[in-house]
Amino acid sequence: DAKTTQPPSMDCAEGRAANLPCNHSTISGNEYVYWYRQIHSQGPQYIIHGLKNNETNEMASLIITEDRKSSTLILPHATLRDTAVYYCIVRVASNTGTASKLTFGTGTRLQVTL
Amino acid sequence: GAVVSQHPSRVICKSGTSVKIECRSLDFQATTMFWYRQFPKQSLMLMATSNEGSKATYEQGVEKDKFLINHASLTLSTLTVTSAHPEDSSFYICSASRGNYGYTFGSGTRLTVV
Repeated sequence: DAKTTQPPSMDCAEGRAANLPCNHSTISGNEYVYWYRQIHSQGPQYIIHGLKNNETNEMASLIITEDRKSSTLILPHATLRDTAVYYCIVRVASNTGTASKLTFGTGTRLQVTL
Repeated sequence: GAVVSQHPSRVICKSGTSVKIECRSLDFQATTMFWYRQFPKQSLMLMATSNEGSKATYEQGVEKDKFLINHASLTLSTLTVTSAHPEDSSFYICSASRGNYGYTFGSGTRLTVV
């Protein structure tokens, strides 16, 4: 699976949009971009994923560049509860009926402040 | 939907004893389960992948005789840390998946070996 690069940390004021970048310049055509977050001492929580189109759900938006070499996760109105480590992961969609593994990088530690 | 229960959440054991951690998918059948280990201030490290009814596939450097994984049913996988030592103290997290339908993580188990 392609490797991802994320800034180690970011700050965001509560109520503002948090934009978390991810570089995945070696991504292949059949690899999806996934975003998870991990709040301290908990298991990772799924946020969103996409292949090449921008995606939006109740938690966030995912913007993928046209060349798919980078993406941005947007939390539109960050709250203190969004403070967590955010992981950007790329992985191949399995065609065997069993899931391919998710490999976590170092992620971005987002600190939301008052 | 897609809930994964991991038990126990915390365990303290004596050096040399074995500890079993359970991971259950409560509302779906998990064809694949993954086990991760996370040390303080580090990312999740994949230990092994298990498909129901098959032997687990271990990542390089993970001792299969020390970390026994059983995935006997589509809803249950167990990780047994045998002859635990203080250096095995860590946060262990499982993840369950139904092929390409996403990954759901358990809440993690904090193991302390004294």
